[in-house]
Amino acid sequence: DAGVIQSPRHEVTEMGQEVTLRCKLISGHNSLFWYRQTMMRGLELLIYFNNNVPIDDSGMPEDRFSAKMPNASFSTLKIQPSEPRDSAVYFCASSPRSRSGNTEAFFGQGTRLTVV
Amino acid sequence: QKEVEQDPGPLSVPEGAIVSLNCTYSNSAFQYFMWYRQYSRKGPELLMYTYSSGNKEDGRFTAQVDKSSKYISLFIRDSQPSDSATYHCATLDSGTYKYIFGTGTRLKVLA
Repeated sequence: DAGVIQSPRHEVTEMGQEVTLRCKLISGHNSLFWYRQTMMRGLELLIYFNNNVPIDDSGMPEDRFSAKMPNASFSTLKIQPSEPRDSAVYFCASSPRSRSGNTEAFFGQGTRLTVV
Repeated sequence: QKEVEQDPGPLSVPEGAIVSLNCTYSNSAFQYFMWYRQYSRKGPELLMYTYSSGNKEDGRFTAQVDKSSKYISLFIRDSQPSDSATYHCATLDSGTYKYIFGTGTRLKVLA
């Protein structure tokens, strides 16, 4: 398995433009997490899904951010309109959630977003 | 108060030193504790996990949880330049299945 795959790896866009980040989960995993990483705040959980259903989106900073999971293996995070303060590295992670709770979250390589 | 607090560093140590990385957490219901290692421009990878209190050892790495004081530690013995990375402590809220991370500590081991 190739692991969690994110695209693009790097994105530079102008303020006001729409940005879409993509994530392919590891086959068989049923939980999906989107994180944002900055130097000041570390890894912040934005939203997570279980079995394609959004469970907690309390970390989504504003209505400009939205996330979808159209099927069991794919998710998108969209920012519209983008702002310079959205510049960060965005990670998605998947895990094979089990009743024991002892599961590892596998991270993708991240998308480095720069909004100018 | 953040649910998991971690000193962001950076921490610089000479090769061969013993490194101690620490976190505190606020919710006494947390049971699963993890350390993730993140190399520059890579995603975090699980290094170690522990359940409830106690120690767990894996080679040069020891993870320790003290639930009475809500304190999580990672010790690295005989540190190597290849250990230079950001280390994140994390907990899994088994009620909500959320992984909650500290801010990460940047470690540099000098040759």
